Amino acid sequence: DAEITQSPRHKITETGRQVTLACHQTWNHNNMFWYRQDLGHGLRLIHYSYGVHDTNKGEVSDGYSVSRSNTEDLPLTLESAASSQTSVYFCASSASWDTGELFFGEGSRLTVL
Amino acid sequence: AQKVTQAQTEISVVEKEDVTLDCVYETRDTTYYLFWYKQPPSGELVFLIRRNSFDEQNEISGRYSWNFQKSTSSFNFTITASQVVDSAVYFCALSEAWAAVNKLTFGGGTRVLVKP
Repeated sequence: DAEITQSPRHKITETGRQVTLACHQTWNHNNMFWYRQDLGHGLRLIHYSYGVHDTNKGEVSDGYSVSRSNTEDLPLTLESAASSQTSVYFCASSASWDTGELFFGEGSRLTVL
Repeated sequence: AQKVTQAQTEISVVEKEDVTLDCVYETRDTTYYLFWYKQPPSGELVFLIRRNSFDEQNEISGRYSWNFQKSTSSFNFTITASQVVDSAVYFCALSEAWAAVNKLTFGGGTRVLVKP
């Protein structure tokens, strides 16, 4: 079955370190997204991509970067982790011919000490 | 800018009671999509429904029903005869379809706790 997987599921790091969260989907979806979930804020869009080599900033993109070198993967990098980036991160994908039905990964819980 | 408000942060009910989750949205677009997602304790988000702005017909799917009222910019979700398995966080979301296909703006979520 097609799926979307995130790794690692849990990560503890220190302030200032670089962290990369992986996202891999096997649906061959063109659209991929990274959201962060924080209490009281719901999910907020960090970055998104509509295809290979396409990346766009979302609502809360400062301190994050993504790259899309193939259809399946959209890694999220925190260049210099900050305590404010402690959160649960969700990757999602959707097909270009559809609108809005996102398929989510199981989430990656990141703690920045 | 678009915005989704879920005023209820947590609702607690006893099994078999009905529960209604409120969702109010703001958008300047005339064409948009509204969604509900469920996040069970396991953490992943599960798509429940999509409704486009031209279709105000209410929808029922089993014990779930949705009431879309454009006049009040609301898209409320009712669970009839709630069950313990309905315990989850529920998110309402909005997509301005033409401006940004698939970019969803989520509300803050409503946690539903169904007690046996």
